[in-house]
Amino acid sequence: AQKVTQAQTEISVVEKEDVTLDCVYETRDTTYYLFWYKQPPSGELVFLIRRNSFDEQNEISGRYSWNFQKSTSSFNFTITASQVVDSAVYFCALRMMNTGFQKLVFGTGTRLLVSP
Amino acid sequence: EAGVAQSPRYKIIEKRQSVAFWCNPISGHATLYWYQQILGQGPKLLIQFQNNGVVDDSQLPKDRFSAERLKGVDSTLKIQPAKLEDSAVYLCASSLGRGSYGYTFGSGTRLTVV
Repeated sequence: AQKVTQAQTEISVVEKEDVTLDCVYETRDTTYYLFWYKQPPSGELVFLIRRNSFDEQNEISGRYSWNFQKSTSSFNFTITASQVVDSAVYFCALRMMNTGFQKLVFGTGTRLLVSP
Repeated sequence: EAGVAQSPRYKIIEKRQSVAFWCNPISGHATLYWYQQILGQGPKLLIQFQNNGVVDDSQLPKDRFSAERLKGVDSTLKIQPAKLEDSAVYLCASSLGRGSYGYTFGSGTRLTVV
């Protein structure tokens, strides 16, 4: 079975602080995808990034960066110089690769509050 | 391109009543998903369609929930009769097909059962 754990329920920071959201996953499969989604108050899930299991190269995109470590089954997400607009719930998700079943398994989410 | 459309945006019903949600996926997307998101939890897959056929409905409470995707385009999710624990946001998503990893989610329908 697959499982995603986001231990941080809520994080509060002041604007311009850096913040890291943790994600730990469990799967017996060797090939899989990992995702981060953002859910603003409007409710829709906004795709941020996808990583596959054989690509551990970390990535930076603007103020966002991701740290994928297969050895510790972690896929952490960092926002540099946070802004009020970053306030949202962030979900980490897992999907198996070699299957026609494309179910996303989500963590419970981390609510990020960025105050001015 | 237009996104995934869902309606209604909000719905309040009494327990034991029935309710239906509608989803219009992105044009050309063969795969459609319904997820249930209970407050404070991550979304959980209820059912996945490939065109108009069901691929995975293992977590759909079939005694009260039903879904269909006639003609492989729009989809309807129904709950009859509703229970208090069905209060949640129901999210619809679509993707191009089996080999595609990119989902697009709709804004969801927030259901409150009183």
